[in-house]
Amino acid sequence: IAGITQAPTSQILAAGRRMTLRCTQDMRHNAMYWYRQDLGLGLRLIHYSNTAGTTGKGEVPDGYSVSRANTDDFPLTLASAVPSQTSVYFCASSEIGAGSDYNEQFFGPGTRLTVL
Amino acid sequence: GQNIDQPTEMTATEGAIVQINCTYQTSGFNGLFWYQQHAGEAPTFLSYNVLDGLEEKGRFSSFLSRSKGYSYLLLKELQMKDSASYLCAVTDSNYQLIWGAGTKLIIKP
Repeated sequence: IAGITQAPTSQILAAGRRMTLRCTQDMRHNAMYWYRQDLGLGLRLIHYSNTAGTTGKGEVPDGYSVSRANTDDFPLTLASAVPSQTSVYFCASSEIGAGSDYNEQFFGPGTRLTVL
Repeated sequence: GQNIDQPTEMTATEGAIVQINCTYQTSGFNGLFWYQQHAGEAPTFLSYNVLDGLEEKGRFSSFLSRSKGYSYLLLKELQMKDSASYLCAVTDSNYQLIWGAGTKLIIKP
């Protein structure tokens, strides 16, 4: 593994189904993030984690949950998918989380999710 | 509220120079990033400014004026591969990145 990986690459999902998007990084970054990107709206933060064992809500957290059991993995779960959750989802990580003014984020390749 | 404004789309000619502007209104300021994103790919880091002035990196330069809440990304000697979206992002007082919607740059031969 080099950098950040996400799985699956793309998925078509029926409304009401549960789905977990996976994200793994091998850079030992302490902070990780989940964004969704929709046309014309830019990147919007869903949830974040500044360190293993802690998580926080971003701008658009409703309908999503996350966990951070260890440094490397940060899965995003849609408990009951709805069509408005159709989007491209990016996972990102950074070496330093809150409290630092330098927060360069490294992105995974993205997951394209379609909810029908 | 927090807001970052960028033009939606710009067109430029191969070999020319283009300037992409970004204005921001955020709760605090702890640095500004520019990222490049090719269609269907992830954003990648281009530049970072935290002090006023110009940062130059090869064909790309980024400028910041904190008093005006303004930045620009300058791309010189444009190449076809520079066709992409350019995202402006500001680190706010909570040290979270606030993202603009991005500027789609179209390069014509």
